[in-house]
Amino acid sequence: QQQVKQSPQSLIVQKGGISIINCAYENTAFDYFPWYQQFPGKGPALLIAIRPDVSEKKEGRFTISFNKSAKQFSLHIMDSQPGDSATYFCAANRMDTGRRALTFGSGTRLQVQP
Amino acid sequence: KAGVTQTPRYLIKTRGQQVTLSCSPISGHRSVSWYQQTPGQGLQFLFEYFSETQRNKGNFPGRFSGRQFSNSRSEMNVSTLELGDSALYLCASSLPGTGNTGELFFGEGSRLTVL
Repeated sequence: QQQVKQSPQSLIVQKGGISIINCAYENTAFDYFPWYQQFPGKGPALLIAIRPDVSEKKEGRFTISFNKSAKQFSLHIMDSQPGDSATYFCAANRMDTGRRALTFGSGTRLQVQP
Repeated sequence: KAGVTQTPRYLIKTRGQQVTLSCSPISGHRSVSWYQQTPGQGLQFLFEYFSETQRNKGNFPGRFSGRQFSNSRSEMNVSTLELGDSALYLCASSLPGTGNTGELFFGEGSRLTVL
């Protein structure tokens, strides 16, 4: 019940295209769904996050779509740029406990070709 | 504001040895958590400390332990190292409590190689 499944494992997109990464979770107690971006040699950095009371959240070129009934959420990167080339991780947590124990997806390596 | 600082950044140990990794959280952050990152298993939660108390633990053997000091700095220790312990160990700090976003701020990690 703690799993978060992420796909695809790798993704190649042309500059200006849309990158889409999908995640599915099992534990219905999860109520916080962040996306992290990680560049080689660096730690993950929060990109955008959503709570299940909204179906979509947009920040610049990054959008999270959330489907509570299907227990799925996805990251859309519009107008993808070579600088977006990184590994992306979805994650989930229960915020009501106040604890910080993220369950991460397996990661998606995104390559944006110029 | 300084970020999360982890030391050492790189280290090489042999099987059977032990290792201690250090983490200094962002000033004012009292929650520190540790994650192990490997190509095969991805990012896995090790444990979380708040106010010098471990309040959450992942599914790792007892060889993995940690502690937090009164200044919120944290250390993790791995005893009797195995080849499979080779990984990037990431520390993350955050503000505690349920009223905030719960954003984790990660350090750049300590890369451990076990020979």
